[in-house]
Amino acid sequence: QKEVEQNSGPLSVPEGAIASLNCTYSDRGSQSFFWYRQYSGKSPELIMFIYSNGDKEDGRFTAQLNKASQYVSLLIRDSQPSDSATYLCAAPRRPNYGGSQGNLIFGKGTKLSVKP
Amino acid sequence: DGGITQSPKYLFRKEGQNVTLSCEQNLNHDAMYWYRQDPGQGLRLIYYSQIVNDFQKGDIAEGYSVSREKKESFPLTVTSAQKNPTAFYLCASSILPTGGNSPLHFGNGTRLTVT
Repeated sequence: QKEVEQNSGPLSVPEGAIASLNCTYSDRGSQSFFWYRQYSGKSPELIMFIYSNGDKEDGRFTAQLNKASQYVSLLIRDSQPSDSATYLCAAPRRPNYGGSQGNLIFGKGTKLSVKP
Repeated sequence: DGGITQSPKYLFRKEGQNVTLSCEQNLNHDAMYWYRQDPGQGLRLIYYSQIVNDFQKGDIAEGYSVSREKKESFPLTVTSAQKNPTAFYLCASSILPTGGNSPLHFGNGTRLTVT
């Protein structure tokens, strides 16, 4: 069973701190990863994607990928109360004999709360 | 502006009735998807379509049906055979189908309540 796993949280950080969100995956052949932010009652929105080992930075967000450890993380610097949301990690579903293919497999998400 | 439109935002139905959720996109994407989200369950794939007039079952297709007669449209019917239809339904699309390095773009969702 190919899975993407996340700690459900809640993860609580004070305003201005660094929030670290983690994700592990079971399919060693996964090549790319996506981070989505979902506010309560809303649909997910893409905030970062990463294909290569190492770090990728975009503003206050940094995605980190370690393929050897099958680990991907999202760091949010200078956390703001507006960052309070559930963060979903996702990876493409690769073809598996007899299984469905295509689209993304999502983790269950980590709920982040940034306290003023 | 390009995007994905789901309607209605909220839908209420009596048990035993079929209901159709609308999804329209003007992004010119080939692939479209339906996911279901329940509290604590994450997103689960119902159906997806890579091209007009073709679609594939996802992980939880039982009790659902879809059609893809136009590139822009991918409606989902929740039938009376679906045991627990109350959920948040999300339609998505992507440029590249079948798990390429192409992100999904989501509509705003339809919250279905069946009593």
